[in-house]
Amino acid sequence: DVKVTQSSRYLVKRTGEKVFLECVQDMDHENMFWYRQDPGLGLRLIYFSYDVKMKEKGDIPEGYSVSREKKERFSLILESASTNQTSMYLCASSLIGTDYEQYFGPGTRLTVT
Amino acid sequence: TQLLEQSPQFLSIQEGENLTVYCNSSSVFSSLQWYRQEPGEGPVLLVTVVTGGEVKKLKRLTFQFGDARKDSSLHITAAQPGDTGLYLCAGPSGGSQGNLIFGKGTKLSVKP
Repeated sequence: DVKVTQSSRYLVKRTGEKVFLECVQDMDHENMFWYRQDPGLGLRLIYFSYDVKMKEKGDIPEGYSVSREKKERFSLILESASTNQTSMYLCASSLIGTDYEQYFGPGTRLTVT
Repeated sequence: TQLLEQSPQFLSIQEGENLTVYCNSSSVFSSLQWYRQEPGEGPVLLVTVVTGGEVKKLKRLTFQFGDARKDSSLHITAAQPGDTGLYLCAGPSGGSQGNLIFGKGTKLSVKP
């Protein structure tokens, strides 16, 4: 079974802090994704990566950056956290050529005060 | 722009009832997926349908892909409280990198 883990389930940070969210997958997947999920807005793609050191902007990249130094690890960075970044953050991974099936981590509920 | 619209948005039913939720688009998709997300957890893949008209069954859940590959439905027979969750449909966004577009989901509550 594919396992995707995220570094924290719950996180509380102050406005202006730099926040790191880590995601690790154990199935050698090429693709990795970061989403945020908000009520009424659904899942929105922040960034994705299809290879080590490669990254592409999703639909809402502003205020975020990412890092993929190893194939299994994809980090999301909030450079200066703001209250409007309070959300559920979901990481996912997928294998190329498998009908795009994505496997999600359990999520990180981030609150910025 | 490809969109996936899900209906209904919310559904609250009693244990033992049957229900159907829908996922519709004006675009053709090569495949569609269904995920279930329990409160406070990440979505879990239930099924992928790839052929127009395809029907797949997963215990009490029946998934159908429309003949024209523009829509899909999920039917649950004799719903149980454990079926409670957010049901999301998703399909390839058309890019080459494995991106998906997601519907906003149907939030199902099954009361004992």
